[in-house]
Amino acid sequence: NAGVMQNPRHLVRRRGQEARLRCSPMKGHSHVYWYRQLPEEGLKFMVYLQKENIIDESGMPKERFSAEFPKEGPSILRIQQVVRGDSAAYFCASSPGQGPYEQYFGPGTRLTVT
Amino acid sequence: TQLLEQSPQFLSIQEGENLTVYCNSSSVFSSLQWYRQEPGEGPVLLVTVVTGGEVKKLKRLTFQFGDARKDSSLHITAAQPGDTGLYLCAGESSGTYKYIFGTGTRLKVLA
Repeated sequence: NAGVMQNPRHLVRRRGQEARLRCSPMKGHSHVYWYRQLPEEGLKFMVYLQKENIIDESGMPKERFSAEFPKEGPSILRIQQVVRGDSAAYFCASSPGQGPYEQYFGPGTRLTVT
Repeated sequence: TQLLEQSPQFLSIQEGENLTVYCNSSSVFSSLQWYRQEPGEGPVLLVTVVTGGEVKKLKRLTFQFGDARKDSSLHITAAQPGDTGLYLCAGESSGTYKYIFGTGTRLKVLA
């Protein structure tokens, strides 16, 4: 049973470019979470999605950030017009959605903005 | 705003010693998870506790959920260098489906 997959593992973007981060949940999981982690810090919740629905995006900046989880294909976290402060590790986790809602994490995408 | 405070923030011990990591909040959680994260990797789930007062054991690791479901502890017996990593607790509030992560405890076990 394949785990949560994220790609790319490393992404370098110049200021002003767009970054697209992909996450394929574990088989049978229909819930996806995105988190951001800065060096030497814990994980900060960004957004929670189910297939074709954004359930909670309270942790995501209102500007430049968007997320989707289409009926087919991976979940995408998109960051437009990246700035240096967006440099971080972005983790995706999936859950089967059945209590107690355990999460399984992917290996992360490390975004560097130059 | 819900917060999960972990203590200590950093811990460096010798192989064979015992240690306890704490995770505290003023909020009630319906479940609480513990994760270990190694550099360059995603967090790996260690355990989930759901019942107040619950104790779970995983080899040399013992996890406890507070009676009021506001706090938790992780105790490691006879620590080994392989236990080195960042330990994170995460709480889920009933009905929110959202996880709040603790500040993390960075453990280093010296051979």
